[in-house]
Amino acid sequence: AQSVTQLGSHVSVSEGALVLLRCNYSSSVPPYLFWYVQYPNQGLQLLLKYTSAATLVKGINGFEAEFKKSETSFHLTKPSAHMSDAAEYFCAVSKYNFNKFYFGSGTKLNVKP
Amino acid sequence: NAGVTQTPKFQVLKTGQSMTLQCAQDMNHNSMYWYRQDPGMGLRLIYYSASEGTTDKGEVPNGYNVSRLNKREFSLRLESAAPSQTSVYFCASRGEGNEQFFGPGTRLTVL
Repeated sequence: AQSVTQLGSHVSVSEGALVLLRCNYSSSVPPYLFWYVQYPNQGLQLLLKYTSAATLVKGINGFEAEFKKSETSFHLTKPSAHMSDAAEYFCAVSKYNFNKFYFGSGTKLNVKP
Repeated sequence: NAGVTQTPKFQVLKTGQSMTLQCAQDMNHNSMYWYRQDPGMGLRLIYYSASEGTTDKGEVPNGYNVSRLNKREFSLRLESAAPSQTSVYFCASRGEGNEQFFGPGTRLTVL
């Protein structure tokens, strides 16, 4: 079965600092990978997705993620945090048929002024 | 274009009661999903429907049933609610780019 590990349930950064949220997956075949963001009391919204076209993926709001097969990682980064980035972030993985998606446990990002 | 809608937004049940969570999407998507979200556990797939007329189990199907009524609607039923089913439930549909679109969620408390 697929699994996704997000290291750090809570991450705190200062406004303007680098954001790095970690995601590792286990898969016997190349997966499809996604990052979603959830603001309080809302559903999830897609930030970006990797579907094998390019290893560096750019998403909305200045976020990007790099697929590293050798490390089985898909870490999310943003060069400069903004207060509005405070939310919970989920990494998700799926196989080619997209019938099932597996989510990590989430990382809550706190941005300090 | 409302996207994915869910009703109700909140519900409190007593142990043993039944209820149906409703979900509808207006994006003409074939695939739809039901998840539950619990603190520290991310989202776990309960059931999915790859197309109208088909449904299949996810990771945590016990205690739930689903119906894909038509292409737009996918409902989740709890026949005899238990406190362990206290959770936030999300419905989603999958677009042509394979990303999922989520509804706003239903917060369910079972006493």
